[in-house]
Amino acid sequence: EVQLVESGGGLVQPGGSLKLSCAASGFTFSGYIMHWVRQASGKGLEWVGRIRSKANSYATEYAASVKGRFIISRDDSKNTAYLQMNSLKTEDTAVYYCSRSMGDWGQGTLVTVSS
Amino acid sequence: QSVLTQPPSVSAAPGQKVTISCSGSSSNIGNDYVAWYQQLPGTAPKLLMYEDNKRPSGIPDRFSGSKSGTSATLGITGLQTGDEADYYCGTWDSSLSAAVFGGGTKLTVL
Repeated sequence: EVQLVESGGGLVQPGGSLKLSCAASGFTFSGYIMHWVRQASGKGLEWVGRIRSKANSYATEYAASVKGRFIISRDDSKNTAYLQMNSLKTEDTAVYYCSRSMGDWGQGTLVTVSS
Repeated sequence: QSVLTQPPSVSAAPGQKVTISCSGSSSNIGNDYVAWYQQLPGTAPKLLMYEDNKRPSGIPDRFSGSKSGTSATLGITGLQTGDEADYYCGTWDSSLSAAVFGGGTKLTVL
């Protein structure tokens, strides 16, 4: 059974940083593209970015709204994907989901950016 | 403003049929497969349809997907109260080099 478990969310001040983790199990993690998607309260889904597999040089792509501030990485030896969020803004407040190739999704972790 | 356009809400009676549209452009729907997601209140999105019209294991055949040109449609027959949820379409946009979603459609089963 595919399982994705996000962690690392919490309250952070504007301008601060936070690193989210997505622990995967139940499949060969190294072979899949991993995505991060966020959802502000009462709003729709917003794609954050993705990281490809080693076979594709761990290439990353980001949404324009987070490019230059967020970094996605992965550690295939730990079956874990990461989302490093820097220079956080109040508008980054959302539930952050990780997803395996936009198929299976985790339960999400809440990030609140507030002073 | 979402790249893909969905109606904000649709409604129908139990047992009836409903369709949800998703409109895009040649750089997204017209260029790649469409997926549909169901999000029940307070839960994570769940894949409902992939590659335009394929159902993942466990998704009943009451749900169907189709695509024509730059538009896609999700159909749900035999509506049940448990189908009340938000539904999102999504695909890859080659011009933006980004995944894009519709704004979501709230389904109410009256």
